[in-house]
Amino acid sequence: GNSVTQMEGPVTLSEEAFLTINCTYTATGYPSLFWYVQYPGEGLQLLLKATKADDKGSNKGFEATYRKETTSFHLEKGSVQVSDSAVYFCALKTSYDKVIFGPGTSLSVIP
Amino acid sequence: GAVVSQHPSWVICKSGTSVKIECRSLDFQATTMFWYRQFPKQSLMLMATSNEGSKATYEQGVEKDKFLINHASLTLSTLTVTSAHPEDSSFYICSARTTSGSPNEQFFGPGTRLTVL
Repeated sequence: GNSVTQMEGPVTLSEEAFLTINCTYTATGYPSLFWYVQYPGEGLQLLLKATKADDKGSNKGFEATYRKETTSFHLEKGSVQVSDSAVYFCALKTSYDKVIFGPGTSLSVIP
Repeated sequence: GAVVSQHPSWVICKSGTSVKIECRSLDFQATTMFWYRQFPKQSLMLMATSNEGSKATYEQGVEKDKFLINHASLTLSTLTVTSAHPEDSSFYICSARTTSGSPNEQFFGPGTRLTVL
């Protein structure tokens, strides 16, 4: 079946450090891939997305590339800020329009 | 654009009572809305898919008689937790899919935190 796996957190980084959150998926067909962010006490916000192989999604300094050969969609940011502290969810959308979320990775950025 | 609201944002109720949560697409029409449940420090689990004017489709293991979903218009879906019990305490999040523009994108509401005493 379809599933999403993320690196386990929590992840704690110092401000301006490089961030990578690994995400791999299992899916039939060609799913769309997403990263969502959830700030404390809030709902989900779409951070970035990619709809086909080799697409790169980017937003607010975050990037992720759809790698079909490795079934991965790793999230990266070159220099994190305290305001990036949140929970990050990798997700895929199937052809039936269902969004399947990974377990989430909690990120804490300390000054 | 593409804003989804939920009401209430939080609710506390007594065991045995029913609670209704509203999900509205404020500036677009949504033929399909989705209801998710999120336990503390866990991921979102899809509960049901709601299509305007028809019965909701529930995921396996979700009790349709307990979680009543109504999608009466293109901008409103409601989730009613009937005879709520403490184990129903959770964060409930809805999302809505546009009928135009970016049909493949779902927009999420801010969530409703339900606490059953």
